[in-house]
Amino acid sequence: DVKVTQSSRYLVKRTGEKVFLECVQDMDHENMFWYRQDPGLGLRLIYFSYDVKMKEKGDIPEGYSVSREKKERFSLILESASTNQTSMYLCASFSGGSNQPQHFGDGTRLSIL
Amino acid sequence: QKEVEQDPGPLSVPEGAIVSLNCTYSNSAFQYFMWYRQYSRKGPELLMYTYSSGNKEDGRFTAQVDKSSKYISLFIRDSQPSDSATYLCAMKGGGADGLTFGKGTHLIIQP
Repeated sequence: DVKVTQSSRYLVKRTGEKVFLECVQDMDHENMFWYRQDPGLGLRLIYFSYDVKMKEKGDIPEGYSVSREKKERFSLILESASTNQTSMYLCASFSGGSNQPQHFGDGTRLSIL
Repeated sequence: QKEVEQDPGPLSVPEGAIVSLNCTYSNSAFQYFMWYRQYSRKGPELLMYTYSSGNKEDGRFTAQVDKSSKYISLFIRDSQPSDSATYLCAMKGGGADGLTFGKGTHLIIQP
């Protein structure tokens, strides 16, 4: 089974802090994704990466950056956290072929005070 | 116009009923269609994955895709209380793109 692990289930940070969310997958997948999920808005794509050191903006990249130094690890960075970034953050991955489905981690519920 | 429309519910049905969940979409470039189930405080779990138009069955679950109408469905037979969850439809075009999601339907199966 595919295993996508997000390092924290719950996180509380303060406005202005730099926040790191970590995601690790154990299936040697090339493609990794970060989404946020908000009530009434559903899941929205923040950033994705199709290879080490490669990154692409999704639909809502403002206020975020990402890092992919190793194939199995994809980090989401909130450069200066704001209250409107309080959300559930979900990481996903899939292997190279476009006909493969994405598998998700259990999410990090982030609160910015 | 939103890309993917999905009725948020809640949809409440008695145990044993057949459940029908639906999404409509506007982007004709979508080729891959998925249904995910999400329990409270958990990540989405892949249920069904289909390419282009047609039907796919897996146990009590059947997914249908009608690309000509831009309409996808998920049917759950012999519904169980453990099926109570939020069901998300998702879709994408070719390549390593991210998914476009519906907002999810909250399903409640009454014992």
